[in-house]
Amino acid sequence: DTAVSQTPKYLVTQMGNDKSIKCEQNLGHDTMYWYKQDSKKFLKIMFSYNNKELIINETVPNRFSPKSPDKAHLNLHINSLELGDSAVYFCASSRTGGGYSNQPQHFGDGTRLSIL
Amino acid sequence: AQTVTQSQPEMSVQEAETVTLSCTYDTSESDYYLFWYKQPPSRQMILVIRQEAYKQQNATENRFSVNFQKAAKSFSLKISDSQLGDAAMYFCAYRSNFGNEKLTFGTGTRLTIIP
Repeated sequence: DTAVSQTPKYLVTQMGNDKSIKCEQNLGHDTMYWYKQDSKKFLKIMFSYNNKELIINETVPNRFSPKSPDKAHLNLHINSLELGDSAVYFCASSRTGGGYSNQPQHFGDGTRLSIL
Repeated sequence: AQTVTQSQPEMSVQEAETVTLSCTYDTSESDYYLFWYKQPPSRQMILVIRQEAYKQQNATENRFSVNFQKAAKSFSLKISDSQLGDAAMYFCAYRSNFGNEKLTFGTGTRLTIIP
């Protein structure tokens, strides 16, 4: 009965490769997010989708492409991986708008991406 | 743009004692939400407590409470009767009630519990 699940939990790959991280939520939320946590533990928003529509894109390189096939899924594809992409990537979801503005975001367990 | 500042990179407290973690934020908005998240070594992000800016009453959740000072833009977290399981990184986060719903995080405070 996992609420927000990400796969894989760990991803080790070489520079230049292309990789994807998948995220699924079973909470019935309408908005999903990707955050990046760097080596100093700083968390920053990357993307947000509401009902499959992109609503936030925070100056992320074009090599990063989110895809939302439906409102329960938000995947992150990364092309031509670089050393600086090494980080923990968190998926999150929430119900937004209307009377739900005070609802917190629920986070997945994170994917640790290591670039060799 | 909103910013969130946590001025204490590390804190430590004796088990069973009380500790307060500081957080200040900068915003021109009047309606927003504030959160404290806990990240233990397992890496999960766990919601500890939330506060709506329009509520004057400070939020409490069992041993966790906040001191919300809207005019001073301060949102500190008090942990009473500290337990070993409280050891973690604690992040303060801001969310606007307008436009997009992203969380803006502070840099975190690493809390160590001394047995």
